[in-house]
Amino acid sequence: GDSVTQMEGPVTLSEEAFLTINCTYTATGYPSLFWYVQYPGEGLQLLLKATKADDKGSNKGFEATYRKETTSFHLEKGSVQVSDSAVYFCAQLGSSASKIIFGSGTRLSIRP
Amino acid sequence: GAVVSQHPSRVICKSGTSVKIECRSLDFQATTMFWYRQFPKKSLMLMATSNEGSKATYEQGVEKDKFLINHASLTLSTLTVTSAHPEDSSFYICSAQQGAGKTYEQYFGPGTRLTVT
Repeated sequence: GDSVTQMEGPVTLSEEAFLTINCTYTATGYPSLFWYVQYPGEGLQLLLKATKADDKGSNKGFEATYRKETTSFHLEKGSVQVSDSAVYFCAQLGSSASKIIFGSGTRLSIRP
Repeated sequence: GAVVSQHPSRVICKSGTSVKIECRSLDFQATTMFWYRQFPKKSLMLMATSNEGSKATYEQGVEKDKFLINHASLTLSTLTVTSAHPEDSSFYICSAQQGAGKTYEQYFGPGTRLTVT
């Protein structure tokens, strides 16, 4: 069945470091792909999305490119800040359903 | 942007009592609403999908008699946890969507933390 796999956390980085959180998916067809962010004690916020192959989603300095050939949607940021500390979820929305499938989440902590 | 609210944000109840959680779309009409449950340090688990004016569709393994969902209007869905037990303690998150199908984005509420003592 359709699934999303993302790197396990926690990930701890120093401020201004480069961030990569890996995400791969399995799906029949071509799903839309998302990254959501959850700050402590809050619900999910959509961070960025891509709806077709080679699309790049970007927001708040974060980027992810929809790679069909590697079935990946890795999240990157060139210089992280303490305020980026949160849990990040990779997700897909299949072409045949309206049900979002989430990865297990990656907790990111940024040290000052 | 579209805003979804949940009430209450936190609730503590005694074992055996029922708790109602509200999910409202504040600035749009939500044809479809979703209820998720999130365990500590885990991902979101979809519990059910509700469409306005019809019965909710529950995911496999979710007890529909325990988790009652009512999508009474295009801006309100409620989740009632009946006869709550400590194992029902969790973070419950709703999302709302303007239409059915993948072309419509889901907007998430801030979540409700339920603690059953």
